[in-house]
Amino acid sequence: NAGVMQNPRHLVRRRGQEARLRCSPMKGHSHVYWYRQLPEEGLKFMVYLQKENIIDESGMPKERFSAEFPKEGPSILRIQQVVRGDSAAYFCASRRVDNSPLHFGNGTRLTVT
Amino acid sequence: AQTVTQSQPEMSVQEAETVTLSCTYDTSESDYYLFWYKQPPSRQMILVIRQEAYKQQNATENRFSVNFQKAAKSFSLKISDSQLGDAAMYFCAYRVTGNQFYFGTGTSLTVIP
Repeated sequence: NAGVMQNPRHLVRRRGQEARLRCSPMKGHSHVYWYRQLPEEGLKFMVYLQKENIIDESGMPKERFSAEFPKEGPSILRIQQVVRGDSAAYFCASRRVDNSPLHFGNGTRLTVT
Repeated sequence: AQTVTQSQPEMSVQEAETVTLSCTYDTSESDYYLFWYKQPPSRQMILVIRQEAYKQQNATENRFSVNFQKAAKSFSLKISDSQLGDAAMYFCAYRVTGNQFYFGTGTSLTVIP
């Protein structure tokens, strides 16, 4: 059973470009979470999704950031018009419907030049 | 407010010795779950141990055990017989019934040979 798959592992974008981060949850997992981690800091919650629904996006900036988890395919975190402050590691995690813990992907390190 | 506090940004331990990492949390919920995650230099977030709040018995996983004090809202992690591979960032987290996971800011553990 493959783990949570995130790609790309590293992503470099120039200011003003768009960044698309992909996350395929573990098989059987219908809940997806996105977290952001700045260097030497903890995990900051961004958004929590179930299939085709955003459950909680209270941690996501209102502008430029969006997330989706379609019926088919991976979850996508999209950052439009990136700025240097968006540079960080972005982690995706998934879990089953029950009270299981989160399983994390290896993260995508976004660098904005 | 739901918060998780890890008051020790850095800790060190001699190889083969025991170390305890502290974690406190603030919640008004009575039913919740607690976790410790480990993040080695590879950045992969790995579940170390979990505890259900309704269970009085402290969870144990091999060399890892917790001291769960529900009334004090404390959830410390004890690592026995420390090994070089235990060196990592350790995050305390808890999940409430609303399915949201909250993470602390982490404790960086150094294992001294």
